[in-house]
Amino acid sequence: ILNVEQSPQSLHVQEGDSTNFTCSFPSSNFYALHWYRWETAKSPEALFVMTLNGDEKKKGRISATLNTKEGYSYLYIKGSQPEDSATYLCAFSMDSSYKLIFGSGTRLLVRP
Amino acid sequence: GAGVSQSPSNKVTEKGKDVELRCDPISGHTALYWYRQSLGQGLEFLIYFQGNSAPDKSGLPSDRFSAERTGGSVSTLTIQRTQQEDSAVYLCASTFWDRGFNEQFFGPGTRLTVL
Repeated sequence: ILNVEQSPQSLHVQEGDSTNFTCSFPSSNFYALHWYRWETAKSPEALFVMTLNGDEKKKGRISATLNTKEGYSYLYIKGSQPEDSATYLCAFSMDSSYKLIFGSGTRLLVRP
Repeated sequence: GAGVSQSPSNKVTEKGKDVELRCDPISGHTALYWYRQSLGQGLEFLIYFQGNSAPDKSGLPSDRFSAERTGGSVSTLTIQRTQQEDSAVYLCASTFWDRGFNEQFFGPGTRLTVL
């Protein structure tokens, strides 16, 4: 059974704090790792798609790293803002179909 | 441009009834996926369509679930004889499949409640 684990399950931080989440996935049969942000009452929105070991991606204050050999990815948010409050999902795909196996998400709440 | 749309946004039905959920993908997207999120669970893959190829139905939880995609565009997910455990948010996503970085664009979902 392929399992994608995310930690922590939830996180409450103060505005301005930097934070990071972890995603663990099977290191065998790896094809791509995706990060999504899912705000309440909205659609999940893609943040990053990463395929190469050692890859680092950045979008504004959010960045992600990938280690395919040991099967983990980190998502970092620098200087959290209340609008960053959302559930952050990572998802793993084994092949070019890109059908995704999701983790259960990290729920982030940023207090003003 | 228009994103992925789904209808209805909410559906309440009685146990044993059939339901149809609709997905309109982004125009030109060749691949379409259905996922669901049951209460307290993560997003779970259900079915995948790519072009004219036979769909990948490996995630469908039972033979009460079926889906079709007409004309390579609109998709309908049908659940027959609904059960309470079918209650979930059903999400559709589409992408223009190639061998690059295929981020999926999600619709807003249909919240299904089976009484």
